[in-house]
Amino acid sequence: DTGVSQDPRHKITKRGQNVTFRCDPISEHNRLYWYRQTLGQGPEFLTYFQNEAQLEKSRLLSDRFSAERPKGSFSTLEIQRTEQGDSAMYLCASSRSTSYSNQPQHFGDGTRLSIL
Amino acid sequence: AQSVSQHNHHVILSEAASLELGCNYSYGGTVNLFWYVQYPGQHLQLLLKYFSGDPLVKGIKGFEAEFIKSKFSFNLRKPSVQWSDTAEYFCAVNGELTGGGNKLTFGTGTQLKVEL
Repeated sequence: DTGVSQDPRHKITKRGQNVTFRCDPISEHNRLYWYRQTLGQGPEFLTYFQNEAQLEKSRLLSDRFSAERPKGSFSTLEIQRTEQGDSAMYLCASSRSTSYSNQPQHFGDGTRLSIL
Repeated sequence: AQSVSQHNHHVILSEAASLELGCNYSYGGTVNLFWYVQYPGQHLQLLLKYFSGDPLVKGIKGFEAEFIKSKFSFNLRKPSVQWSDTAEYFCAVNGELTGGGNKLTFGTGTQLKVEL
């Protein structure tokens, strides 16, 4: 188990710029989740993939946000025209689907985004 | 919609003291409950989970939690804390997503500091 890997760990950018984050899930995990965590809060669900299909998106995910998982392996989360309110920790998690029971999600270290 | 409430935001204990962190949830469906821990500088890690069966769940590092359905609670306990338990603790409840995925709804977290 090599764990969930996220890149970069930190991103500082100016307001209005576009940013893209990458997540590499645990290799046998077909489910991938993105969450956002702001200071003093728990993580909040953003979106979810099963294999390459994006099956759910939160209302938190505005039109400026887009996520992809083109081959059912790694995923990218892009934020266009960043705003101050986008400053947060972006977390990726993955899990394995089974027929018999839910599997817990394994989290990466996150990408901390700071908007100047 | 599901929600999670953690009552204690900051807890300070001396080593060997007993710990109980409160968690209440609301969710209309089949409940799966989790406690995650985040040690300083590390990613979220699963402490323990409740899916069904025995309401007293044992996790890693001597932690346990009790699911009390009538009280909508899932409190975390440890008889004797150690300095290394200093971390932030998150309670979470799952919600079902399209395709069988599970959206985690987290509480705001409890910051535990254990003093020597």
